[in-house]
Formats: sequence, structure tokens, C-alpha cells
Amino acid sequence: EAQLVESGGGLVEPGGSLRLSCEASGFIFSDYEMNWVRQAPGKGLEWVSYMSGGGSDIYYADSVKGRFTISRDNAKRALYLQMSFLRPEDTAVYYCARENYCGSHLECAFDMWGHGTLVTVS
Amino acid sequence: SLELTQPPSVSVSPGQTASITCSGERLGDKYVSWYQQRVGQSPALLIYQDNKRPSGIPARFSGSNAGNTATLTISETQGLDEADYYCQAWDRHSHVFGSGTKVTVL
Repeated sequence: EAQLVESGGGLVEPGGSLRLSCEASGFIFSDYEMNWVRQAPGKGLEWVSYMSGGGSDIYYADSVKGRFTISRDNAKRALYLQMSFLRPEDTAVYYCARENYCGSHLECAFDMWGHGTLVTVS
Repeated sequence: SLELTQPPSVSVSPGQTASITCSGERLGDKYVSWYQQRVGQSPALLIYQDNKRPSGIPARFSGSNAGNTATLTISETQGLDEADYYCQAWDRHSHVFGSGTKVTVL
């Protein structure tokens, strides 16, 4: 069964760093673009970052640009999010999400989500 | 940058039809996806490319998109449809989510 499993969340002080991981199984990981999406407690979904299957294209939300770094290791079927200079407003459940069902111009949907990992900055 | 606006809440009686709107500038020029998130669960894809359903999604869920508004329609609403619903589109190298709509089945 195809799935995504996140790990690495926890409690960190403001200004600190944390590295999230997402392990994929059950599908050819390198064939898919991957993203991080977060959800603050009681709030809506917020897209964080995108990485193409081969790793050549990377995009970030303005709210994390310059502080977060997305990466992937296709041999290990893993996606990462290195978070630095963390702020209280970064507190959220972070989801790893796979893109699929793409139209033109990279207009894709998220067809697979992990269970999420909670990051608390306090 | 694109902003997607949804009504905060929608109430519907069992067996009736619920409609959730998602508004954004020239949204009809883009593909819209819809997600359902039940309490304590991860989001799940309901609709992609405006009106297509992934395998396993009931035909009770349908979508449309024209002008500045996309709409998710839930027909024959059931208690298990009580959840938060989000629209999503791609704009200028960013994914954008709507503000979310809580559907209550009374």
C-alpha cells in the first residue's frame, strides 16, 4: 500500500532549528513532485514548499522563504524540510503531500497525504 | 497573489444538497481541486481539475469552475460528510488553499 510517513516534529525554542522527514513507500518516489503543507492549530491549510521529482525545481511560500530548505533523496525515497530561525507562528502540523492528476502549467492536486508531524515553537 | 475565499460554514440537512463556493480572481482560468478533512484526520482529495473524481470518491461529490468562482456540490448529504472542505489552485509557482468551509449536517 502506498503511503507517506512524516517524522521529526517536536518542541523547539524560537530561533531554533528542526529537520522533518517524510518516508515514502509503495510507489516510485522519483516520479512524483512532492510538497510540504502545514496547518496551525485550529486553522486552515497553508502550502509551504514544492520540489520536483528530480529536485531541479524548488518553490517556497513567502512566509518561509530564506528560513526553510526542502530536499529529497530519491534513493532513500525520502523528502526533507530543514527549518531554521523558527518562530512561534511556525507552530503547526506539517504534512508531506504527493502531487498527481496534473493539468497544464503544473496545476496538480495532492492525491496522497501523510498523517502529519507536529512542530511546536515555544 | 491569488487569494481564495470560502464561506466559513455551511449547514445542510441529511439527504439535501450542500454547495461550497471558492472565489478568486479569474479562478475559472485555473484548475481547482477540493479536499475533505474530517476531525483529527489528514486532508483527502475529492475533486481535481475542477470536476474529476479520483477512484473511490462517490458521485455525490461534484465540482464546477467558471468566471471567478469554483463550486463543490455534495448531493444526498450524509452525516459522514460533516468535515472541513478546502479548495486549492496553483498560481505563479505557489499552491494556494482556500480559507476552508466547515460543513455541518444538522
